[in-house]
Amino acid sequence: AQKITQTQPGMFVQEKEAVTLDCTYDTSDPSYGLFWYKQPSSGEMIFLIYQGSYDQQNATEGRYSLNFQKARKSANLVISASQLGDSAMYFCAMRALNFGNEKLTFGTGTRLTIIP
Amino acid sequence: DSGVTQTPKHLITATGQRVTLRCSPRSGDLSVYWYQQSLDQGLQFLIQYYNGEERAKGNILERFSAQQFPDLHSELNLSSLELGDSALYFCASSPTSMRASTDTQYFGPGTRLTVL
Repeated sequence: AQKITQTQPGMFVQEKEAVTLDCTYDTSDPSYGLFWYKQPSSGEMIFLIYQGSYDQQNATEGRYSLNFQKARKSANLVISASQLGDSAMYFCAMRALNFGNEKLTFGTGTRLTIIP
Repeated sequence: DSGVTQTPKHLITATGQRVTLRCSPRSGDLSVYWYQQSLDQGLQFLIQYYNGEERAKGNILERFSAQQFPDLHSELNLSSLELGDSALYFCASSPTSMRASTDTQYFGPGTRLTVL
């Protein structure tokens, strides 16, 4: 079974500051993938970044980076130079990397509010 | 725009009724996933279809059913609706190759179902 824990229900951050959203996970799968999705108030789920459990380097996508610490079972999302448009719900998710077991398990999310 | 389309965007119906939600995956994607997002349950995996065949089942009620057609679009049928079925229903798609580690699920805009 897989479990994702996001302990920050809400965060307020000043515009242009960096922000770290926490995510810890638990799984018995030997190989797995970790994902972050953004859900703005309009409701759609937007894929942000992916990290494989076997990846040696932390993933980066523009202003997003994933601080992956396998021994601590954490996969924190770092957003650099936050913008007002970053205000949204952020979900951490994981999936086993088995062909035939591709479902995503989500955390409860963190609501990020960027203050001008 | 993820390339995944869902219709309708909003649906309001009464208890006891039956509705059908439709999803068209991204071009070339063989897998379709259905997720339910509700206030009390969060984001939960319901069911996955791969190239027309049911592949995995999650927390899907017996009153709910789905299918994937030869053109790869999918429909989620919800019957004998209850107030608690009110939620945002997402469809996601992915290529689902043998190299499952490369697959990211891209989400449609969702169908917001309100049961009165």
